[in-house]
Amino acid sequence: GAGVSQSPSNKVTEKGKDVELRCDPISGHTALYWYRQSLGQGLEFLIYFQGNSAPDKSGLPSDRFSAERTGGSVSTLTIQRTQQEDSAVYLCASSLASERGYEQYFGPGTRLTVT
Amino acid sequence: GNSVTQMEGPVTLSEEAFLTINCTYTATGYPSLFWYVQYPGEGLQLLLKATKADDKGSNKGFEATYRKETTSFHLEKGSVQVSDSAVYFCALISGSARQLTFGSGTQLTVLP
Repeated sequence: GAGVSQSPSNKVTEKGKDVELRCDPISGHTALYWYRQSLGQGLEFLIYFQGNSAPDKSGLPSDRFSAERTGGSVSTLTIQRTQQEDSAVYLCASSLASERGYEQYFGPGTRLTVT
Repeated sequence: GNSVTQMEGPVTLSEEAFLTINCTYTATGYPSLFWYVQYPGEGLQLLLKATKADDKGSNKGFEATYRKETTSFHLEKGSVQVSDSAVYFCALISGSARQLTFGSGTQLTVLP
């Protein structure tokens, strides 16, 4: 079946602009995660959603970052007033549930470049 | 807090060589441990996992044993192939957290 998809695959934006990154999880997966992969910081957790529960936002690096998940499916990560240090690959993952025995399936990522 | 320390790369081996990538961890409680692989141009894929002490995860000829006494989860393969060239990440989930904590990744290149 279809895996996790993300769009766009690449995004170049000017410093100070807002960007939206989209994630389509695997159908039926109730848990959705956002991570960031950058040269300096490696792979970092940003936020996760589980069903209708309040999201765990503990990994968001600043209040310029926000995310929502509509209808328990598609998620959008928004970065406001982008900075050069936001340049990274943003990865989305989904799993059947959030219990740790469930595998997280990753999308191909969105490469964000802030100029 | 949780952390994963991974052998630094890059690692370059000849085909059919033996591979070890070291991984040690610090965690609250009893973590579940994972190895993920990222092939060139592709997304992260789960390679193997172990959820309790002394468990051995295995897949595609790769193995890793959950060693509680040494807090380690080293990845091994007896005979690597060119197609194993990728970046390998050790990771864990522990305590009440539901997100993965990753190591820094190890770039493996296998030469024919």
